[in-house]
Amino acid sequence: EDQVTQSPEALRLQEGESSSLNCSYTVSGLRGLFWYRQDPGKGPEFLFTLYSAGEEKEKERLKATLTKKESFLHITAPKPEDSATYLCAVQGYGNNRLAFGKGNQVVVIP
Amino acid sequence: ETGVTQTPRHLVMGMTNKKSLKCEQHLGHNAMYWYKQSAKKPLELMFVYSLEERVENNSVPSRFSPECPNSSHLFLHLHTLQPEDSALYLCASSQPGTYEAFFGQGTRLTVV
Repeated sequence: EDQVTQSPEALRLQEGESSSLNCSYTVSGLRGLFWYRQDPGKGPEFLFTLYSAGEEKEKERLKATLTKKESFLHITAPKPEDSATYLCAVQGYGNNRLAFGKGNQVVVIP
Repeated sequence: ETGVTQTPRHLVMGMTNKKSLKCEQHLGHNAMYWYKQSAKKPLELMFVYSLEERVENNSVPSRFSPECPNSSHLFLHLHTLQPEDSALYLCASSQPGTYEAFFGQGTRLTVV
């Protein structure tokens, strides 16, 4: 069974204080690893897909990286509007489903 | 706006009521999903439809009944729910082959 563990569960950052979120996974053949952002009371918003170890993707202050066992979401010089819960999910071969982690709740203080 | 629209956004229902959640996608996808999101838990996949055929049902109680009349619309029919069914219900769609799921804004369901 595909499994995803995200750490830390919650993180408080000062504005401008860079940090990283971790997503560890176990999957029988990785088809893709996905990062989403979710604001309170809203649906997850797609951020990135990573397919193979060594791959990196960037969007504004966010950068996602992937190894064979984990992914990191780096937040560089965060702003208060980066406050959200970040969800990591994996999909293995032979599956129709995404397996999600519990999320990283990030609060950026002005 | 993601192209996936869910209605209603909020729903309060009694344990004896019958209601339906609606999802519509305008992305040209042909796979649609229902997820349940409870506090402090990962998203739980409930149902998967691909090309209007149900391809997965993750041991969901029969008080939840999905319907997919075409590739753009998905319903979740609810009856005799329990208080523990209170959660955020999310619809998503994707194109097989990409597996990037796009989510709607969700329906916040409260069972009283």
